[in-house]
Amino acid sequence: EVQLVESGGGLVQPGGSLRLSCAVSGFTVRTNYMTWVRQAPGKGLEWVSLIYTGGSTYYAESVKGRFTISRDNSKNTLFLQINSLSAEDTAVYYCARGLKNFDYWGQGTLVTVSS
Amino acid sequence: EIVLTQSPGTLSLSPGERATLSCRASQSVSSSYLAWYQQKPGQAPRLLIYGASTRATGIPDRFSGSGSGTDFTLTISRLEPEDFAVYYCQQYGDSRVGFGQGTKVEIK
Repeated sequence: EVQLVESGGGLVQPGGSLRLSCAVSGFTVRTNYMTWVRQAPGKGLEWVSLIYTGGSTYYAESVKGRFTISRDNSKNTLFLQINSLSAEDTAVYYCARGLKNFDYWGQGTLVTVSS
Repeated sequence: EIVLTQSPGTLSLSPGERATLSCRASQSVSSSYLAWYQQKPGQAPRLLIYGASTRATGIPDRFSGSGSGTDFTLTISRLEPEDFAVYYCQQYGDSRVGFGQGTKVEIK
């Protein structure tokens, strides 16, 4: 059974950092394209970042230079390091599998940026 | 950057009616790279259609996708109670992903 389980969200002050994790079972992260998508409260879906099977990484302009996607093949886990957070980064962060489309999603982890 | 615009913003229909949702791209999108998702409150999105017209695994045949170039459509032939949700189109190109702003299908 395929499962993606995000963790690491929480309340953080403006300017702070968090590291989000996405633990995957049922397939191998290393051989699949993986992505992070976020959704601000009451808003639509916003793509955040992609990591290719070869390790190349890509980011939305809104997070470039502040967010870093990575993976730990030994733990079959995807990560998103998020730095210099502002209120506009408050959202549920989802990890998902795929490149052209996303067939498996986690349940999301909520990041709230507030003082 | 390709911008996807979905219309209408909200669709008010009754169970059993047909729903037609539009997704228009600011420039041409390869049909292979156009997908549709359904999202219910408190849940992650669910892939419905990929490649513009191919139903994902387990998706009922009342859902169909069509279109090419800049105009794509998701059709729900007869709305079931569980179909009332928000629907998003999504495209991929040049190592970037974009989503439409969503269409809410609500019970009339």
